[in-house]
Amino acid sequence: DVKVTQSSRYLVKRTGEKVFLECVQDMDHENMFWYRQDPGLGLRLIYFSYDVKMKEKGDIPEGYSVSREKKERFSLILESASTNQTSMYLCASTQRKTGAYEQYFGPGTRLTVT
Amino acid sequence: QKEVEQDPGPLSVPEGAIVSLNCTYSNSAFQYFMWYRQYSRKGPELLMYTYSSGNKEDGRFTAQVDKSSKYISLFIRDSQPSDSATYLCATLSGYALNFGKGTSLLVTP
Repeated sequence: DVKVTQSSRYLVKRTGEKVFLECVQDMDHENMFWYRQDPGLGLRLIYFSYDVKMKEKGDIPEGYSVSREKKERFSLILESASTNQTSMYLCASTQRKTGAYEQYFGPGTRLTVT
Repeated sequence: QKEVEQDPGPLSVPEGAIVSLNCTYSNSAFQYFMWYRQYSRKGPELLMYTYSSGNKEDGRFTAQVDKSSKYISLFIRDSQPSDSATYLCATLSGYALNFGKGTSLLVTP
């Protein structure tokens, strides 16, 4: 009963590479989110999208961009990966109005930038 | 000041103990208060939510919100080793959630 999937569980990239992280949800949710999770810092919101082609910056958008061309898919892009972007990246989705308090998370992508 | 503050622990208790996890929040306008549970190498999952003040009970778990003191609590009765996880409190602001940093809980047999 998989609801939110992420393209990779583990990813190793070199400094300066362009990195794409993809997230797909099958619940027809309007809202989708990208977080990073680091020890001691918790979950921090990078970007979210409340509709196709719409996006809003979260708390830490610097160094990241996003794309939402279809309702079910939300991509996170690291234009030029840096070592300080080594982290666990989590995607989530939720309904726009009712049930917005319940975010469904994917399993996460552990990204290492060397 | 962060919107939601949570003691990261870690917290270690013996099986059968009562566990109390706590958070404070800063914005009195928040109305939805959530507890998420995250097992190792998994994404967080919603455990319970409360609307406005009061208590909510679900089996061995009780969520409590005191809006006068801006305090959120989660109580676990008869804790089990399977409860070992990180617990994150959260509040809802518009479409987005404000998460605490999470408390790591270990229940030892």
